[in-house]
Amino acid sequence: DTAVSQTPKYLVTQMGNDKSIKCEQNLGHDTMYWYKQDSKKFLKIMFSYNNKELIINETVPNRFSPKSPDKAHLNLHINSLELGDSAVYFCASSKGQGYTEAFFGQGTRLTVV
Amino acid sequence: QQQVKQSPQSLIVQKGGISIINCAYENTAFDYFPWYQQFPGKGPALLIAIRPDVSEKKEGRFTISFNKSAKQFSLHIMDSQPGDSATYFCAASRITGGGNKLTFGTGTQLKVEL
Repeated sequence: DTAVSQTPKYLVTQMGNDKSIKCEQNLGHDTMYWYKQDSKKFLKIMFSYNNKELIINETVPNRFSPKSPDKAHLNLHINSLELGDSAVYFCASSKGQGYTEAFFGQGTRLTVV
Repeated sequence: QQQVKQSPQSLIVQKGGISIINCAYENTAFDYFPWYQQFPGKGPALLIAIRPDVSEKKEGRFTISFNKSAKQFSLHIMDSQPGDSATYFCAASRITGGGNKLTFGTGTQLKVEL
């Protein structure tokens, strides 16, 4: 049983397209996140949701729009993809506010050509 | 502005040796300092974590040393094994009021040779 699962694992798309990445966690956690890992492996938070409410938005371009239909799901939609969006995107979850251990998914490698 | 600085960028250690990775932070509001281990093609996984009220925490072959006054912490891997070859990230966050946001260091690629 995968705790935090993301789909797809790989995504290759052309500039200007719109794409979505889906994330689901079966841990019963209240808080979910999106992190971006660039080509140098640097990890940076993008968004955080607690009980479907956006609590962190780290000055990410508004082409990126997260959506949390329920506590177990956090999807990431990206409009008008650019070459610089190529990266690995990780979904993560933690128990809730005050519980900082984050469990990460396997990542989605996005390549924009 | 890099709030958590990590060194070295890469490290090669002989099997059985000690691997040491260092991190320094700037924000004194941080009160939780985890280390994550990442294998190729996988997501980061929590290895060990420490709060600033203790100076050292040991779990098996992994030890975190923490120096609050210097705002530095380090990971020591004793008896390093080839299976420890991975990228290691230090991180810092605020348990309360920080939204559980993890601020990561830049990562250290560890290779343990036979």
